[in-house]
Formats: sequence, C-alpha cells, structure tokens
Amino acid sequence: DAGITQSPRHKVTETGTPVTLRCHQTENHRYMYWYRQDPGHGLRLIHYSYGVKDTDKGEVSDGYSVSRSKTEDFLLTLESATSSQTSVYFCAISETGGTHTEAFFGQGTRLTVV
Amino acid sequence: AQSVTQLGSHVSVSEGALVLLRCNYSSSVPPYLFWYVQYPNQGLQLLLKYTSAATLVKGINGFEAEFKKSETSFHLTKPSAHMSDAAEYFCAVTKGDSSYKLIFGSGTRLLVRP
Repeated sequence: DAGITQSPRHKVTETGTPVTLRCHQTENHRYMYWYRQDPGHGLRLIHYSYGVKDTDKGEVSDGYSVSRSKTEDFLLTLESATSSQTSVYFCAISETGGTHTEAFFGQGTRLTVV
Repeated sequence: AQSVTQLGSHVSVSEGALVLLRCNYSSSVPPYLFWYVQYPNQGLQLLLKYTSAATLVKGINGFEAEFKKSETSFHLTKPSAHMSDAAEYFCAVTKGDSSYKLIFGSGTRLLVRP
C-alpha cells in the first residue's frame, strides 16, 4: 500500500469553526490532491498541489484552502465549517502529472459538521 | 470537457454470474480512462486503466474493460462474481490538461447475492 496517512480519520465539529485535515505521504510523490465524496456525486476535486507551495483550485474549492510547505504534507482547511461540508474527504497522490499516471488514495476522513 | 456517466447506481448479481458495470465518457481529446474500486470504509484502489495501448484492458481480481470509441464506452466486466467483489466501483477520466485531475463518475454499488 502507498504510504498515505490521513488525520484525523473521524471528526465532528460545530458550524462556524475552522477545521484542518492533514495528509501525510512517505512516497515523495510530487502531486497531491484533496477530494470529497458525497452520495450520488462520486469524488470531486477540491484542491491539488503540484509541488511545495504550488497549489491550484479544483471544481469545488469554495470554502476550502490548502497549504503545502513540505513535500510530504498537504493540509486542507475549512475556514468556517458549514453543514454542506459534511462529507468524506480523501487525499490522493501521484508521482507525476501524466494523464495516465496512477493515483493512490488515503483511507479517508469522515467529517461531520453539526 | 471531459466527463463520465455511470449507468445504474446499484447493480445486483448472483454469485457466479457475469458482472457488467457501465461507463460512458465524453471527451474532446483521446481519453485516459480508469476504473477504481472502493471497499467499505476504505480508500479507492485502481482496478485498471486504458492508455490507448490496447482496447481490451485486464485488471486485478479478474476484471477487464473494453474501450469502444464508436460507443464512447468503457464498461467493466467480470465473468463470474464472487462475494468479495461487493464494493463501489468508480469510472474516471483525466481532464487532459497538464495536471493529473481525475474526473469521477457517480459510482455503482455492486451487490453480490449468495
């Protein structure tokens, strides 16, 4: 299994509070991604990173920010959590940005905003 | 723009029966297509990928998929279902730009009856 660790694995938080999810990899892969998974929508890309301090938005980036200060860590922050951000969040990594490069996924973080 | 459509949010088969999970894609450029599997409370795992080398792609656990350009399809099949195949399956396509952005279908949950 690819060395990807997401923390925490489960979190319950209150509306309006900031939340940070962490993705840590031991593979030294350049690309890292945050997806959210919701029933009926599959996985949707929130943000991704193509190197240290290099990030870009995905299709559902509103209300989220990311940071990557080290190759191995990619943080996702919900600036002010809302109930619509209740979801399962997955981190993924890939070695290169090629269109047929395999992505490896973490175990997911289940976030509930009450 | 690239997209994928998975027909059927749930598919139920008997153990030993043929598995057929449908995926149709929309792409303005030659697509790179993937099937991922998600077991309960797990991350996603790559089953197989199409990279234009061959239209019939064999993957892990006895699954295969055939790329049909004329039908814009990439259906996933397995001749004989096992109980362990029960999972959610996602078809995905890469966006085709310089980054590796996977666009996922909404998923198909496979149920295997004894």
